[in-house]
Amino acid sequence: NAGVMQNPRHLVRRRGQEARLRCSPMKGHSHVYWYRQLPEEGLKFMVYLQKENIIDESGMPKERFSAEFPKEGPSILRIQQVVRGDSAAYFCASSPKVGVGNEQFFGPGTRLTVL
Amino acid sequence: QKEVEQNSGPLSVPEGAIASLNCTYSDRVSQSFFWYRQYSGKSPELIMSIYSNGDKEDGRFTAQLNKASQYVSLLIRDSQPSDSATYLCAVNRDTGFQKLVFGTGTRLLVSP
Repeated sequence: NAGVMQNPRHLVRRRGQEARLRCSPMKGHSHVYWYRQLPEEGLKFMVYLQKENIIDESGMPKERFSAEFPKEGPSILRIQQVVRGDSAAYFCASSPKVGVGNEQFFGPGTRLTVL
Repeated sequence: QKEVEQNSGPLSVPEGAIASLNCTYSDRVSQSFFWYRQYSGKSPELIMSIYSNGDKEDGRFTAQLNKASQYVSLLIRDSQPSDSATYLCAVNRDTGFQKLVFGTGTRLLVSP
């Protein structure tokens, strides 16, 4: 039973380029969450998606960041025109349900470095 | 006031001792509480979840919840050097919100 999968594990981009991070949830999980962990800081919620729907994007920066979870395929977190401050570990988590008991399981993360 | 507060540590305990990790939260309507373990450079790993007041035990781990005091704790019995990691407390309001709010974590060091 594969866990949450993320790729790439490491991504290096130059300022101004685009970064695309992919996440496949655990089998049977239809709820996907993206979190960001800046160096020496805690995990911060970015966005919560279900298939074809963004449910809560309250943690997403207003510009340059977008997320999707299409009917087929993985969830994508897209960062346009990256800046050095975007360097962080980006984690995807998935859960089988919502409400009380919403246990979220994390993928291995994508470590983004912006040069 | 931070939504979820933890002492950053490090908390140092000798091998075989009990490690006690604490967490307070500010949102009274929070319903679900989780402890994650994160090794350096790795992703968070869920080790305990608790939803009702009282204690919940799983192997060497015991989670304790006191909603009146807005306090969650994690006890690790018979601590091992392999338990050395950062322990993250996470809280979920659940009602209408599914995001986890994390504390900054407590670093635990277990010395042989």
